[in-house]
Amino acid sequence: EVQLAESGGGLVQPGRSLRLSCTASGFTFGDYAMSWFRQAPGKGLEWIGFIRRQAYGGTTEYAASVKGRFTISRDDSKSIAYLQVNSLRTEDTAVYYCSRERVGAMGRYFDYWGQGNLVTVSS
Amino acid sequence: QSVLTQPPSVSGAPGQRVTISCTGSSSNIGAGYDVHWYQQLPGTAPKLLIYDNNKRPSGVPDRFSGSKSGTSASLAITGLQAEDEADYYCQSYDSRLSGSEVVFGGGTKLTVL
Repeated sequence: EVQLAESGGGLVQPGRSLRLSCTASGFTFGDYAMSWFRQAPGKGLEWIGFIRRQAYGGTTEYAASVKGRFTISRDDSKSIAYLQVNSLRTEDTAVYYCSRERVGAMGRYFDYWGQGNLVTVSS
Repeated sequence: QSVLTQPPSVSGAPGQRVTISCTGSSSNIGAGYDVHWYQQLPGTAPKLLIYDNNKRPSGVPDRFSGSKSGTSASLAITGLQAEDEADYYCQSYDSRLSGSEVVFGGGTKLTVL
């Protein structure tokens, strides 16, 4: 059974950094690209970015809205994807999700999601 | 302001059929990118409902169907059930000068009356 579990969230002060982890099981982690999303309280889904599988260089792409402060990485030996967020702002308060990415005929979609991890940025 | 436009809410009685629209533009749906749909039950993570415009993952009832035409897509739910009450999001891909991005609709809250 495919499972994804985010961890590392919580209450953080503005300006600090945070690293979220996404631990995968039930599939060959290295065979898939992984994405991160967030959902602010009462709001919709926002794509943050993704990291390709190592066979495609393990490179990353980010949404224009988050480029510069967010960094996605992966450790295939541990089946973990990471999201590093620097210089946290109050508007970064959200539930953060990781997801397994699938490439369709024209575009990408996300077939399995973690349960989400709440990050609250407040002094 | 979401790149894809969905109605904020729809409603229907049990057993009825409802549709949720998703309107994009020439840089996303109109460019040929596929549309995917997710269901988010209250307090839970999104779940893939429809992929590649009209395909259902294993385990998704055939009461759910998707279609795409031009710059728009639709999700139809027939035989509405109480457990269908949730938020629904469409998702596609968008090509811009700054790069390509995954984009979502703002979400539609389905209320089963």
